[in-house]
Amino acid sequence: EAGVAQSPRYKIIEKRQSVAFWCNPISGHATLYWYQQILGQGPKLLIQFQNNGVVDDSQLPKDRFSAERLKGVDSTLKIQPAKLEDSAVYLCASSPRGGGITDTQYFGPGTRLTVL
Amino acid sequence: AQRVTQPEKLLSVFKGAPVELKCNYSYSGSPELFWYVQYSRQRLQLLLRHISRESIKGFTADLNKGETSFHLKKPFAQEEDSAMYYCALSGGFTGRRALTFGSGTRLQVQP
Repeated sequence: EAGVAQSPRYKIIEKRQSVAFWCNPISGHATLYWYQQILGQGPKLLIQFQNNGVVDDSQLPKDRFSAERLKGVDSTLKIQPAKLEDSAVYLCASSPRGGGITDTQYFGPGTRLTVL
Repeated sequence: AQRVTQPEKLLSVFKGAPVELKCNYSYSGSPELFWYVQYSRQRLQLLLRHISRESIKGFTADLNKGETSFHLKKPFAQEEDSAMYYCALSGGFTGRRALTFGSGTRLQVQP
């Protein structure tokens, strides 16, 4: 079974530029998550999709971040414009169901973003 | 609000020594607790969840609701246990289903 795929793996941009990340979840997984992991911290949820609907985006900085999940499969996360504090690893995860104790999240390799 | 605290950033032990990685949580409802692990150059992956009550790679964790803790234990550490360990909480049916992670503890097992 192929795992969660993410691209690019690394991205360096200057502040105020725009950037987009792509995620392809495990086939058949209903739920997709984007997490932000700042150096020295644990992953923090940005947005959760179930199929192509948003379940939780309460921690997404909506003035600069946006995300979509087209046709309930692939997802893109965009930052526009980027700030220095957006430097982090962006993790995508997917799970078969809607989360909870019996659901397992499978993580992608992450995209490391550096904002100069 | 959901919160997970891992007080130790680094835990260094010798091979064969017991290991205890501490995790405390804050949540008003019935939490669902997990331990995730990230080995060097690998992806973050599930190690165990509190309802499984089983030993995974020799690790166990017991949910103590009175102390709001979910410490990870192993009686005899192995060098291959060296990794980053994250405790995580899900709010269950009445809370946020996505995971709230602690800041992680790096376990170093020396030969």
